[in-house]
Amino acid sequence: GAVVSQHPSRVICKSGTSVKIECRSLDFQATTMFWYRQFPKKSLMLMATSNEGSKATYEQGVEKDKFLINHASLTLSTLTVTSAHPEDSSFYICSAPDAGSSYNEQFFGPGTRLTVL
Amino acid sequence: DAKTTQPTSMDCAEGRAANLPCNHSTISGNEYVYWYRQIHSQGPQYIIHGLKNNETNEMASLIITEDRKSSTLILPHATLRDTAVYYCIVRTSGNTPLVFGKGTRLSVIA
Repeated sequence: GAVVSQHPSRVICKSGTSVKIECRSLDFQATTMFWYRQFPKKSLMLMATSNEGSKATYEQGVEKDKFLINHASLTLSTLTVTSAHPEDSSFYICSAPDAGSSYNEQFFGPGTRLTVL
Repeated sequence: DAKTTQPTSMDCAEGRAANLPCNHSTISGNEYVYWYRQIHSQGPQYIIHGLKNNETNEMASLIITEDRKSSTLILPHATLRDTAVYYCIVRTSGNTPLVFGKGTRLSVIA
């Protein structure tokens, strides 16, 4: 199946700094990518939809100025957590539907674990 | 909100079949039933999906009731590596995001 990568896999940062997480579709083009957040022992929560060439759409309660999303190309979306605080510590996961598959199968990245000290 | 209901947890003996139920009584005619699983600290992995017919692939079988209000994912010979949280999701195909419920935590026991 198609592959989605994320970088970095793990990051530890100090409170107040910004962290950028990359999501890449390695063998297909993705005009849309989705960003999720997962707290310990909880399910994945959709944060936003990243659209190539246009602004991202955010779910209710997700601050767009704190979680900056840029979909720079058909294979790359980035999520920047600005002025991170300890409560932003979480597992961030992206996914991308492969329009070339028969049913737009969605592929998930391996996730990025963010720890804010 | 998720449109499915699953048991919180289940245990299964290694080598036996694991049958994971899912209720989706409000499913609409154009919605598919998808199953994903998430092994600890990894991204979700696609397992199988179906509309109304039963489906089988190399990983699992999906049995959908005739009224489509419930389904069962079957792992025919569970192994320790199948220990994971299993999510049943209903959605239309296309570029819509997957909405995850709480899933079923399956523990395969030696």
